[in-house]
Amino acid sequence: AQRVTQPEKLLSVFKGAPVELKCNYSYSGSPELFWYVQYSRQRLQLLLRHISRESIKGFTADLNKGETSFHLKKPFAQEEDSAMYYCALKEIKAAGNKLTFGGGTRVLVKP
Amino acid sequence: GAGVSQSPSNKVTEKGKDVELRCDPISGHTALYWYRQRLGQGLEFLIYFQGNSAPDKSGLPSDRFSAERTGESVSTLTIQRTQQEDSAVYLCASTLNPSTDTQYFGPGTRLTVL
Repeated sequence: AQRVTQPEKLLSVFKGAPVELKCNYSYSGSPELFWYVQYSRQRLQLLLRHISRESIKGFTADLNKGETSFHLKKPFAQEEDSAMYYCALKEIKAAGNKLTFGGGTRVLVKP
Repeated sequence: GAGVSQSPSNKVTEKGKDVELRCDPISGHTALYWYRQRLGQGLEFLIYFQGNSAPDKSGLPSDRFSAERTGESVSTLTIQRTQQEDSAVYLCASTLNPSTDTQYFGPGTRLTVL
């Protein structure tokens, strides 16, 4: 069965410092990986997906199939980046393409 | 346009009571999902609808949980004889094309079972 692991429950960094959120997955097939973000009092929303290969709000994530990882990185964290971040995996070809989520990482960016 | 909406936003109930949670997806979105998020944990998939049928119910934790969708629109998640372990945020998401499009999430319903 597929599984997504986010080892850090909380990451606390100072403004301007780099931040990296770890995500590891286990899946026998070819997955599609996502990062979702939930800001305070807002709903869960898509941040980026690996197939887009784009940078959103300064964040990037590279799928490493050899290490089964999809870590999220930003070189200079901003206070507005404080939020809950969830890594998610979508089974390609599965009926409905449901998402499997990691447990989430809370990022706190201090001034 | 309007996003996914859910009601109620909060529900407090007593153990043993039945509850109904409602989801209004984005208009035109044929695929609809229910997820559950327990405190401090990630989202767990419950059920997926394509149109009014549910080809994947594999995440429903017990037969106390059921869901239906009508008119390829509104969906209702029903929990019978609620237990304290049912306390969680129940999230609904919808998408136009499950294969290619992102899932758009509602604000969730926070269920507390006393």
